[in-house]
Amino acid sequence: DAGVTQSPTHLIKTRGQQVTLRCSPISGHKSVSWYQQVLGQGPQFIFQYYEKEERGRGNFPDRFSARQFPNYSSELNVNALLLGDSALYLCASSYSFVAQPQHFGDGTRLSIL
Amino acid sequence: SQQGEEDPQALSIQEGENATMNCSYKTSINNLQWYRQNSGRGLVHLILIRSNEREKHSGRLRVTLDTSKKSSSLLITASRAADTASYFCATPDSNYQLIWGAGTKLIIKP
Repeated sequence: DAGVTQSPTHLIKTRGQQVTLRCSPISGHKSVSWYQQVLGQGPQFIFQYYEKEERGRGNFPDRFSARQFPNYSSELNVNALLLGDSALYLCASSYSFVAQPQHFGDGTRLSIL
Repeated sequence: SQQGEEDPQALSIQEGENATMNCSYKTSINNLQWYRQNSGRGLVHLILIRSNEREKHSGRLRVTLDTSKKSSSLLITASRAADTASYFCATPDSNYQLIWGAGTKLIIKP
């Protein structure tokens, strides 16, 4: 079975622009979580979606939003990009939302100029 | 905020030696999970230990959990060059969201 896939792998944007990142979970997984990882740090939780509903939101500004589609794929949107948004954005999937081991994609490397 | 804190921040050992990493956390937990991340890649789940377990093994990995000290350790025996990576512990908060430490960067020298 295919693992978690994320697109694009790399992205370069300028301040003020908007970006959409995409994630396809492992087949059969209904939960998708998004994380931001700044170089040298651990992942920071952004959102979790389960069965198309938001189950959790981390301490991120309203510029960050996400959604999950009927096929359980997900998009993360970030508006009004700031230099500090430069990071690796990771998507993880699991069967349910209850603290199970998560399966990660390789991430989208977002650079803001 | 980060729930777990790994120690040491970086570790460099010779191939064949054992590597031990520690994780401390702040609040009560249901389980604690260890993950590995190769440079620039996604994280890979290694092992999950529940709060009522004290030790767990998986291949060359051994994880211990001491809930009284709010700490866990990951031991990698007979290290290999392929073990070079960053290792993270993560614990679920009251909303089941995983909270992560800053990681231990492990370098295995040939």
